Amino acid sequence: DGGITQSPKYLFRKEGQNVTLSCEQNLNHDAMYWYRQDPGQGLRLIYYSQIVNDFQKGDIAEGYSVSREKKESFPLTVTSAQKNPTAFYLCASSMPSLSYEQYFGPGTRLTVT
Amino acid sequence: SQQGEEDPQALSIQEGENATMNCSYKTSINNLQWYRQNSGRGLVHLILIRSNEREKHSGRLRVTLDTSKKSSSLLITASRAADTASYFCATAEGGSQGNLIFGKGTKLSVKP
Repeated sequence: DGGITQSPKYLFRKEGQNVTLSCEQNLNHDAMYWYRQDPGQGLRLIYYSQIVNDFQKGDIAEGYSVSREKKESFPLTVTSAQKNPTAFYLCASSMPSLSYEQYFGPGTRLTVT
Repeated sequence: SQQGEEDPQALSIQEGENATMNCSYKTSINNLQWYRQNSGRGLVHLILIRSNEREKHSGRLRVTLDTSKKSSSLLITASRAADTASYFCATAEGGSQGNLIFGKGTKLSVKP
Protein backbone atom coordinates (compact mmCIF):
# COMPACT_ATOMS: atom_id res chain seq x y z
CA ASP A 1 0.00 0.00 0.00
CA GLY A 2 2.07 2.88 -1.31
CA GLY A 3 1.73 6.45 -0.27
CA ILE A 4 2.38 8.99 2.43
CA THR A 5 1.33 8.58 6.02
CA GLN A 6 1.04 11.26 8.64
CA SER A 7 0.45 10.65 12.27
CA PRO A 8 -1.40 11.39 14.36
CA LYS A 9 -4.52 12.73 12.61
CA TYR A 10 -5.38 14.97 15.56
CA LEU A 11 -2.91 16.37 18.07
CA PHE A 12 -3.52 18.52 21.11
CA ARG A 13 -0.80 20.34 23.01
CA LYS A 14 -0.45 22.95 25.69
CA GLU A 15 1.15 26.25 24.83
CA GLY A 16 4.90 26.22 25.43
CA GLN A 17 5.40 22.58 24.49
CA ASN A 18 7.27 21.40 21.43
CA VAL A 19 5.49 18.81 19.30
CA THR A 20 6.72 16.59 16.46
CA LEU A 21 4.54 15.61 13.51
CA SER A 22 5.43 12.45 11.65
CA CYS A 23 5.58 12.04 7.86
CA GLU A 24 6.64 8.81 6.14
CA GLN A 25 6.57 7.89 2.44
CA ASN A 26 7.25 4.63 0.65
CA LEU A 27 7.14 6.08 -2.86
CA ASN A 28 10.93 6.33 -3.08
CA HIS A 29 10.57 10.06 -3.74
CA ASP A 30 13.59 12.30 -3.37
CA ALA A 31 11.76 15.46 -2.34
CA MET A 32 9.52 16.04 0.66
CA TYR A 33 7.59 19.11 1.79
CA TRP A 34 5.73 20.48 4.79
CA TYR A 35 2.83 22.88 4.33
CA ARG A 36 0.60 24.71 6.73
CA GLN A 37 -3.07 25.37 5.91
CA ASP A 38 -5.27 27.77 7.85
CA PRO A 39 -9.09 27.84 7.48
CA GLY A 40 -10.16 29.07 4.06
CA GLN A 41 -6.57 29.54 2.98
CA GLY A 42 -4.20 27.94 0.56
CA LEU A 43 -1.07 26.05 1.46
CA ARG A 44 2.03 27.82 2.70
CA LEU A 45 5.40 26.12 2.48
CA ILE A 46 7.22 25.63 5.78
CA TYR A 47 10.26 23.52 4.85
CA TYR A 48 11.30 21.31 1.98
CA SER A 49 14.00 18.76 1.35
CA GLN A 50 15.29 17.76 -2.07
CA ILE A 51 17.65 15.08 -0.79
CA VAL A 52 18.57 13.20 2.38
CA ASN A 53 20.48 15.26 4.97
CA ASP A 54 19.57 18.51 3.28
CA PHE A 55 16.58 20.83 3.72
CA GLN A 56 15.62 24.41 2.98
CA LYS A 57 13.36 26.98 4.60
CA GLY A 58 10.12 27.80 2.90
CA ASP A 59 8.04 30.95 3.27
CA ILE A 60 7.07 30.49 6.93
CA ALA A 61 9.88 28.51 8.60
CA GLU A 62 10.09 30.57 11.79
CA GLY A 63 9.17 28.49 14.85
CA TYR A 64 9.53 25.18 13.00
CA SER A 65 12.37 22.69 12.56
CA VAL A 66 12.83 19.56 10.44
CA SER A 67 15.27 16.72 9.86
CA ARG A 68 15.83 14.40 6.89
CA GLU A 69 17.99 11.56 8.14
CA LYS A 70 16.25 8.95 6.00
CA LYS A 71 14.80 9.22 2.51
CA GLU A 72 11.38 8.04 3.63
CA SER A 73 10.99 10.22 6.71
CA PHE A 74 10.65 13.99 7.16
CA PRO A 75 9.42 14.88 10.68
CA LEU A 76 8.35 18.42 11.53
CA THR A 77 8.78 19.90 15.00
CA VAL A 78 6.55 22.79 15.97
CA THR A 79 8.46 24.64 18.65
CA SER A 80 7.20 26.91 21.41
CA ALA A 81 8.60 29.81 19.37
CA GLN A 82 5.82 29.42 16.79
CA LYS A 83 3.38 32.18 17.71
CA ASN A 84 0.22 30.67 16.27
CA PRO A 85 0.74 26.92 15.82
CA THR A 86 -2.90 25.80 15.63
CA ALA A 87 -3.41 24.73 12.01
CA PHE A 88 -3.75 21.83 9.60
CA TYR A 89 -0.34 20.48 8.56
CA LEU A 90 0.20 18.65 5.30
CA CYS A 91 3.20 16.65 4.18
CA ALA A 92 3.91 15.91 0.53
CA SER A 93 6.52 14.21 -1.59
CA SER A 94 7.56 14.27 -5.22
CA MET A 95 10.18 13.09 -7.67
CA PRO A 96 11.16 16.37 -9.37
CA SER A 97 13.46 14.63 -11.84
CA LEU A 98 10.39 12.87 -13.28
CA SER A 99 7.39 15.06 -12.50
CA TYR A 100 6.36 18.17 -10.60
CA GLU A 101 3.27 16.37 -9.26
CA GLN A 102 3.16 16.24 -5.47
CA TYR A 103 1.59 13.43 -3.46
CA PHE A 104 0.00 14.44 -0.18
CA GLY A 105 -0.55 12.74 3.13
CA PRO A 106 -3.91 12.93 4.97
CA GLY A 107 -2.75 15.76 7.22
CA THR A 108 -2.43 16.38 10.96
CA ARG A 109 -4.68 18.86 12.70
CA LEU A 110 -2.75 20.46 15.55
CA THR A 111 -4.55 22.36 18.28
CA VAL A 112 -2.52 24.28 20.85
CA THR A 113 -4.30 25.74 23.87
CA SER B 1 4.46 34.02 -1.35
CA GLN B 2 1.07 33.45 -2.96
CA GLN B 3 1.26 33.00 -6.69
CA GLY B 4 -2.11 31.71 -7.83
CA GLU B 5 -5.39 33.38 -7.05
CA GLU B 6 -8.52 31.39 -7.72
CA ASP B 7 -11.81 32.89 -8.71
CA PRO B 8 -14.50 32.57 -7.52
CA GLN B 9 -13.73 31.84 -3.86
CA ALA B 10 -16.93 29.79 -3.64
CA LEU B 11 -19.23 28.25 -6.23
CA SER B 12 -22.55 26.50 -5.72
CA ILE B 13 -24.22 24.60 -8.58
CA GLN B 14 -26.75 21.86 -9.22
CA GLU B 15 -25.75 18.33 -10.14
CA GLY B 16 -25.36 18.00 -13.90
CA GLU B 17 -24.24 21.58 -14.42
CA ASN B 18 -20.74 22.56 -15.45
CA ALA B 19 -18.37 24.24 -12.99
CA THR B 20 -15.68 26.67 -14.09
CA MET B 21 -12.89 27.90 -11.84
CA ASN B 22 -10.20 30.36 -12.77
CA CYS B 23 -6.66 30.90 -11.59
CA SER B 24 -4.36 33.85 -12.15
CA TYR B 25 -0.66 33.93 -11.40
CA LYS B 26 2.13 36.46 -11.42
CA THR B 27 5.42 35.10 -12.74
CA SER B 28 6.53 32.91 -15.63
CA ILE B 29 5.93 29.24 -14.99
CA ASN B 30 7.15 25.82 -16.01
CA ASN B 31 3.76 24.23 -15.44
CA LEU B 32 0.46 24.73 -13.67
CA GLN B 33 -1.39 22.06 -11.74
CA TRP B 34 -4.85 21.65 -10.26
CA TYR B 35 -5.49 19.80 -7.03
CA ARG B 36 -8.62 18.79 -5.20
CA GLN B 37 -9.12 18.69 -1.43
CA ASN B 38 -12.05 17.10 0.32
CA SER B 39 -12.84 18.64 3.67
CA GLY B 40 -10.23 17.77 6.29
CA ARG B 41 -8.16 15.66 3.91
CA GLY B 42 -4.95 15.88 1.94
CA LEU B 43 -4.76 17.21 -1.60
CA VAL B 44 -5.12 15.00 -4.64
CA HIS B 45 -3.47 15.85 -7.94
CA LEU B 46 -5.94 16.24 -10.81
CA ILE B 47 -4.09 17.49 -13.85
CA LEU B 48 -0.87 19.21 -14.95
CA ILE B 49 -0.54 21.51 -17.92
CA ARG B 50 2.86 22.61 -19.18
CA SER B 51 3.65 26.17 -20.18
CA ASN B 52 3.79 25.23 -23.86
CA GLU B 53 0.33 23.61 -23.79
CA ARG B 54 -2.94 25.48 -24.22
CA GLU B 55 -5.53 22.88 -23.32
CA LYS B 56 -5.64 19.50 -21.67
CA HIS B 57 -8.41 17.01 -20.94
CA SER B 58 -8.78 14.27 -18.37
CA GLY B 59 -12.16 12.57 -18.11
CA ARG B 60 -14.69 15.28 -17.16
CA LEU B 61 -11.92 17.81 -16.55
CA ARG B 62 -10.76 20.38 -19.06
CA VAL B 63 -7.91 22.76 -18.26
CA THR B 64 -6.83 25.72 -20.33
CA LEU B 65 -3.73 27.85 -19.96
CA ASP B 66 -3.14 31.34 -21.34
CA THR B 67 0.44 32.32 -20.56
CA SER B 68 -0.01 35.77 -22.14
CA LYS B 69 -2.71 36.54 -19.58
CA LYS B 70 -1.08 34.45 -16.86
CA SER B 71 -4.31 32.61 -16.25
CA SER B 72 -5.79 29.13 -16.27
CA SER B 73 -9.27 27.69 -16.00
CA LEU B 74 -10.57 24.35 -14.78
CA LEU B 75 -13.87 23.12 -16.18
CA ILE B 76 -15.68 20.21 -14.60
CA THR B 77 -18.45 19.00 -16.88
CA ALA B 78 -21.66 17.25 -15.77
CA SER B 79 -20.83 17.78 -12.11
CA ARG B 80 -21.79 15.29 -9.43
CA ALA B 81 -22.39 15.69 -5.71
CA ALA B 82 -19.12 13.80 -5.19
CA ASP B 83 -17.26 16.69 -6.89
CA THR B 84 -17.97 18.83 -3.83
CA ALA B 85 -14.52 19.89 -2.61
CA SER B 86 -12.02 22.73 -2.68
CA TYR B 87 -9.94 23.11 -5.82
CA PHE B 88 -6.48 24.67 -5.84
CA CYS B 89 -4.20 25.74 -8.61
CA ALA B 90 -0.47 25.47 -8.07
CA THR B 91 2.34 26.84 -10.17
CA ALA B 92 5.89 25.68 -10.61
CA GLU B 93 8.28 28.40 -11.63
CA GLY B 94 11.15 27.68 -13.96
CA GLY B 95 14.14 26.46 -11.95
CA SER B 96 12.00 25.90 -8.87
CA GLN B 97 13.28 22.34 -8.42
CA GLY B 98 9.76 21.08 -8.00
CA ASN B 99 8.50 23.61 -5.46
CA LEU B 100 4.89 24.67 -5.97
CA ILE B 101 3.07 27.84 -5.03
CA PHE B 102 -0.59 27.32 -4.19
CA GLY B 103 -3.54 29.65 -4.50
CA LYS B 104 -6.26 30.01 -1.86
CA GLY B 105 -8.68 27.73 -3.63
CA THR B 106 -12.27 27.65 -4.88
CA LYS B 107 -14.79 25.89 -2.69
CA LEU B 108 -17.22 24.02 -4.94
CA SER B 109 -20.56 22.78 -3.67
CA VAL B 110 -22.61 20.54 -5.97
CA LYS B 111 -26.19 20.08 -4.82
CA PRO B 112 -28.00 16.87 -5.69
